[in-house]
Amino acid sequence: AQSVTQLGSHVSVSEGALVLLRCNYSSSVPPYLFWYVQYPNQGLQLLLKYTSAATLVKGINGFEAEFKKSETSFHLTKPSAHMSDAAEYFCAVSELDAGGTSYGKLTFGQGTILTVHP
Amino acid sequence: DGGITQSPKYLFRKEGQNVTLSCEQNLNHDAMYWYRQDPGQGLRLIYYSQIVNDFQKGDIAEGYSVSREKKESFPLTVTSAQKNPTAFYLCASRRSSGALWTGELFFGEGSRLTVL
Repeated sequence: AQSVTQLGSHVSVSEGALVLLRCNYSSSVPPYLFWYVQYPNQGLQLLLKYTSAATLVKGINGFEAEFKKSETSFHLTKPSAHMSDAAEYFCAVSELDAGGTSYGKLTFGQGTILTVHP
Repeated sequence: DGGITQSPKYLFRKEGQNVTLSCEQNLNHDAMYWYRQDPGQGLRLIYYSQIVNDFQKGDIAEGYSVSREKKESFPLTVTSAQKNPTAFYLCASRRSSGALWTGELFFGEGSRLTVL
């Protein structure tokens, strides 16, 4: 089974500082990878996704992530944090069958709560 | 606007009672999913359905039941057999199936169940 590990359950940054949220995955074949954001008591919204095209993926709200196969990582970054970025972020990996076809089941990491200080 | 509607948003129930959470989508998506969210544990898959009248157990199906009689609807029943039902429940759907899957899950706003 595939798995996702998010390093750091809480990350705190100052407004204007770099945001770096770490995600490592385990998979025997190249996976599909996702980052979602969740605001309190709301559903999840897709930030960006990697589906075996460009390794540097740009998403909404100025976020981007780089797929590094050698490191099995998919870290999320944003050059300058805004107060509105405070939320919980989830990394997820698709589950593929033996033929490498995805059937839409996502495995999620435990989440990272981002706090932004003025 | 198209989307996923979950109801109720907040639900309180006494221990031992069955409760049903509603999930309706007007996105014409084939597949639908139920996830459970607990603090610090991410999202865990309860059940999923790729087509009408068919569904599969996820990782934590014990104590839950579902039905998929219509493409638009995928209700979840939390039964009295679920030992710790207090949680935030999220319903999701996706655009297409099989090898053409685009990857994105669309989520509802969630339902928070508290068992007293």
